[in-house]
Amino acid sequence: GAGVSQSPRYKVAKRGQDVALRCDPISGHVSLFWYQQALGQGPEFLTYFQNEAQLDKSGLPSDRFFAERPEGSVSTLKIQRTQQEDSAVYLCASSPRHFAYNSPLHFGNGTRLTVT
Amino acid sequence: GQQVMQIPQYQHVQEGEDFTTYCNSSTTLSNIQWYKQRPGGHPVFLIQLVKSGEVKKQKRLTFQFGEAKKNSSLHITATQTTDVGTYFCAEDYGGSQGNLIFGKGTKLSVKP
Repeated sequence: GAGVSQSPRYKVAKRGQDVALRCDPISGHVSLFWYQQALGQGPEFLTYFQNEAQLDKSGLPSDRFFAERPEGSVSTLKIQRTQQEDSAVYLCASSPRHFAYNSPLHFGNGTRLTVT
Repeated sequence: GQQVMQIPQYQHVQEGEDFTTYCNSSTTLSNIQWYKQRPGGHPVFLIQLVKSGEVKKQKRLTFQFGEAKKNSSLHITATQTTDVGTYFCAEDYGGSQGNLIFGKGTKLSVKP
């Protein structure tokens, strides 16, 4: 595809529900990142994959958050037992090379999650 | 942990005025990237600075990286309404982790 694709674009969940957010990176991109962006704030790092390996998950706020990229392409961010503080835009970004090569990030349009 | 200080948080200018946003780090950076996010949009990569004292220009935008690689600035000359958005610096402290740390951004509004 032409860019990073995220779905759904909007998600409303009731507190306590589980949600799954999908990211289709640019074809062939090695690195994949998840960020959380609260209203009026900068993106905050959640986790990073190099191909299928999750190399850094230091930004995941709790064990309710889980991310995977089993075949090194599509990634899913899962949030269990959602809480109101999870309401934010979840951004996925991909990069053509290993992060250590300092490639720019290509962001998707994000999924806006609202927990009621 | 690492912190990214970006100032100002908001800037309102008249069209044609100049605009500058600053990014400061408490530790030496490997490199710094700048992104622009339009209202309702996603961050879009503008530029990356790697070398100490580096200056890069893109039309009316001038990016600088400090000599000590601890600070950076973005300057826009003669702002236009198309410059509206939030400008973020993103700092890379090096190493194998993928933790590119974003500042809180400077939200620019331009009055025609």
